[in-house]
Amino acid sequence: GAVVSQHPSWVICKSGTSVKIECRSLDFQATTMFWYRQFPKQSLMLMATSNEGSKATYEQGVEKDKFLINHASLTLSTLTVTSAHPEDSSFYICSAGSGTSGSDEQFFGPGTRLTVL
Amino acid sequence: GENVEQHPSTLSVQEGDSAVIKCTYSDSASNYFPWYKQELGKGPQLIIDIRSNVGEKKDQRIAVTLNKTAKHFSLHITETQPEDSAVYFCAAAAPNAGGTSYGKLTFGQGTILTVHP
Repeated sequence: GAVVSQHPSWVICKSGTSVKIECRSLDFQATTMFWYRQFPKQSLMLMATSNEGSKATYEQGVEKDKFLINHASLTLSTLTVTSAHPEDSSFYICSAGSGTSGSDEQFFGPGTRLTVL
Repeated sequence: GENVEQHPSTLSVQEGDSAVIKCTYSDSASNYFPWYKQELGKGPQLIIDIRSNVGEKKDQRIAVTLNKTAKHFSLHITETQPEDSAVYFCAAAAPNAGGTSYGKLTFGQGTILTVHP
């Protein structure tokens, strides 16, 4: 099956710093990538949808200036948490889909654990 | 927007027993219903999915049923094993604007399944 990787798998940073998380589709081209946030013992909440070469679409309540998303190529999307604060500590998961007809499955990455001190 | 309700939140069974998890959804346009298994500290893994033109789908010990009239779908795991212990999420998606693939997933709240040896 298709593989999606994330880097780093975990990161600890100081409050006020910025953190970049990478999401890569390793063996397929992803026209669409999704970024989710998951708090402990909770479900996945969609943050934004990014399409290659265009601006991301953010869900209601998600600050686009705080969570910068770049989808510069068909295999890479990045999420940058700017000026991180302790409340941003969470498990961030990306998923990728090829977006072609008949291919509906989203392939999820292993997640990135962000801890902001 | 779509709302997905999942029950129960926790489920404890003995090895060899069956487990059933149920979900309801609100958007009648939704027609793609995947189920994911998430182990601690990892991303979700697709275990089975069903589309609205199918009422039931089976893959070895796992089956999913869909009732579009009632807007609910269920996951059935037979002959459970300790390694089935994990958090299970249902999700629903409607076709995207172009109608060629599915858009964003809305997840249920998750079910913690524990299979006792």
